[in-house]
Amino acid sequence: QVQLQESGPGLVKPSQTLSLTCTVSGGSISSGGYYWSWIRQHPGKGLEWIGYIYYSGSTYYNPSLKSRVTISVDTSKNQFSLKLSSVTAADTAVYYCARAAEDYDLDYWGQGTLVTVSS
Amino acid sequence: QSALTQPASVSGSPGQSITISCTGTSSDVGGYNYVSWYQQHPGKAPKLMIYEVSNRPSGVSNRFSGSKSGNTASLTISGLQAEDEADYYCSSYTSSSTPRVFGGGTKLTVL
Repeated sequence: QVQLQESGPGLVKPSQTLSLTCTVSGGSISSGGYYWSWIRQHPGKGLEWIGYIYYSGSTYYNPSLKSRVTISVDTSKNQFSLKLSSVTAADTAVYYCARAAEDYDLDYWGQGTLVTVSS
Repeated sequence: QSALTQPASVSGSPGQSITISCTGTSSDVGGYNYVSWYQQHPGKAPKLMIYEVSNRPSGVSNRFSGSKSGNTASLTISGLQAEDEADYYCSSYTSSSTPRVFGGGTKLTVL
């Protein structure tokens, strides 16, 4: 059973960089076939795909966030990470890491972590 | 503004059936048989309930079913139970550069 777990600060100051890591267990990122994704959900709102990374390092970023987002992978630790720079209050959200299959269905999710942007 | 349109809320009594619609365009829902549905309980991560329009992942109750007609997909829950009360999101493959588009979500209330 694949499990994902987000970790990182729950509070980030405006203009700083939000950094989160997702640790994957029960399956190897290096095995391929999946897109390791970051999704966020603003309070009381719907889902927004931030981006994904393939084990090879190829990435996709949501065009609305592309200038501020970096997703990286560390296959030796079976982890992938999200960095979102120059954050504002509008980036306050629950951030989920998830596994997407080839058709981009999100079949396994982390529990989510609330990140608040505030001074 | 979400790419896919869902009703904000639906409700039903235990034992009844309800249907949630998800309307898109020929560039997403209508153009591909890659519509999914997610269930999200408060404070929890979404859970995949239906994929490829009408397929259920292992472990999902057969009370959940999906269908599609034209640019509109539907999720039907039969034999409504209290535990079905949650938010439901649809998702579709799309011809745009984004991997998937989502609906705005529907809050299901079990009366």
